[in-house]
Amino acid sequence: EAGVAQSPRYKIIEKRQSVAFWCNPISGHATLYWYQQILGQGPKLLIQFQNNGVVDDSQLPKDRFSAERLKGVDSTLKIQPAKLEDSAVYLCASSPPGQGAGNTIYFGEGSWLTVV
Amino acid sequence: GESVGLHLPTLSVQEGDNSIINCAYSNSASDYFIWYKQESGKGPQFIIDIRSNMDKRQGQRVTVLLNKTVKHLSLQIAATQPGDSAVYFCAENWGNTPLVFGKGTRLSVIA
Repeated sequence: EAGVAQSPRYKIIEKRQSVAFWCNPISGHATLYWYQQILGQGPKLLIQFQNNGVVDDSQLPKDRFSAERLKGVDSTLKIQPAKLEDSAVYLCASSPPGQGAGNTIYFGEGSWLTVV
Repeated sequence: GESVGLHLPTLSVQEGDNSIINCAYSNSASDYFIWYKQESGKGPQFIIDIRSNMDKRQGQRVTVLLNKTVKHLSLQIAATQPGDSAVYFCAENWGNTPLVFGKGTRLSVIA
């Protein structure tokens, strides 16, 4: 079974530029997550989708970050304009439907962003 | 502050010895816990999980212990190998809330 796919793996941009990350979850997984992981810290949830609807985006800095999952499969996370503190790994993850209390989620390899 | 934390940021273990990685949580409502392993340059990889109605769960070379009285979780790795070197995260959730991750413990295996 293919895992969560992400691209690009690495990106270096200047501050105030924009960047977009793409994610393809595990086939059949209804729930998709974007996490931000700053070096030396645990992942922090940015946004959670159930199919093509947003479940939780309370931690997403909406003045600069946006995400969509228009057809309920692939998702794109965009940052515009980027700030130095956005340098992090952006992890996409997915989980299968029907797990109820207890959501084992499976992560991609991450997209590494450096803002200079 | 974070509801999930770790006692030790780094742990060095001799190859072949057993490793114990600890994690404290503060939310007594948490009912599901997971341990993830993250190798350098990779995403977190699921290791083992446990629900709050259990005290212990075993996998291949790994055991997770849950002590709800003191809100403590531990991951035991038997016969630690060089390939076990990584950062280990515990994570928790309750109901359908998203997983909350701790800061992680780096395990270094000395050959």
